[in-house]
Amino acid sequence: DAGVTQSPTHLIKTRGQHVTLRCSPISGHKSVSWYQQVLGQGPQFIFQYYEKEERGRGNFPDRFSARQFPNYSSELNVNALLLGDSALYLCASRADGSGYGYTFGSGTRLTVV
Amino acid sequence: GQNIDQPTEMTATEGAIVQINCTYQTSGFNGLFWYQQHAGEAPTFLSYNVLDGLEEKGRFSSFLSRSKGYSYLLLKELQMKDSASYLCAVRASGGSYIPTFGRGTSLIVHP
Repeated sequence: DAGVTQSPTHLIKTRGQHVTLRCSPISGHKSVSWYQQVLGQGPQFIFQYYEKEERGRGNFPDRFSARQFPNYSSELNVNALLLGDSALYLCASRADGSGYGYTFGSGTRLTVV
Repeated sequence: GQNIDQPTEMTATEGAIVQINCTYQTSGFNGLFWYQQHAGEAPTFLSYNVLDGLEEKGRFSSFLSRSKGYSYLLLKELQMKDSASYLCAVRASGGSYIPTFGRGTSLIVHP
């Protein structure tokens, strides 16, 4: 069974550009969460989706948006990139009924120059 | 809101025992996680505590005291591969199951 897969693994963008990050959860997992991890810090919660609906949103500006597709994969979009958006973006999926079974992907390393 | 505090960095010797502490303040508590994260890799699940007490899992054990807002992760018989960041995360009440992470403790194991 494949784990949580994220693409791309690395990305370099220029300030002001837009970026789309993708996540495929473990087969059968309907819940997907996105986290931002700045170097030296713990992951910060951005969004959670379940059955294509947003179930939670962290303290991030409206430049950040996300969606979940019928196959439960998800995209995170960031507009008008800032230098401070440089981080590791992590996706985690969870199975129904598993209160604690979060599995993380290896992340997308975004560098904004 | 939630506040989670853990030491920034710790060092220990191979073969020794190390205890990583985590204190938290939250408006409602529904469980505490410990994750291990090697540099450049995904966090991997170590433990989840809901009730008070010690849970042992091989070389790793996790303790929780809900009344004190306190947890620790105990690593025994340290190995070089245990050098990593250890993340404490708290899940508040509310049903969203979304854990909030502390900044992590970087553990360096030296020979």
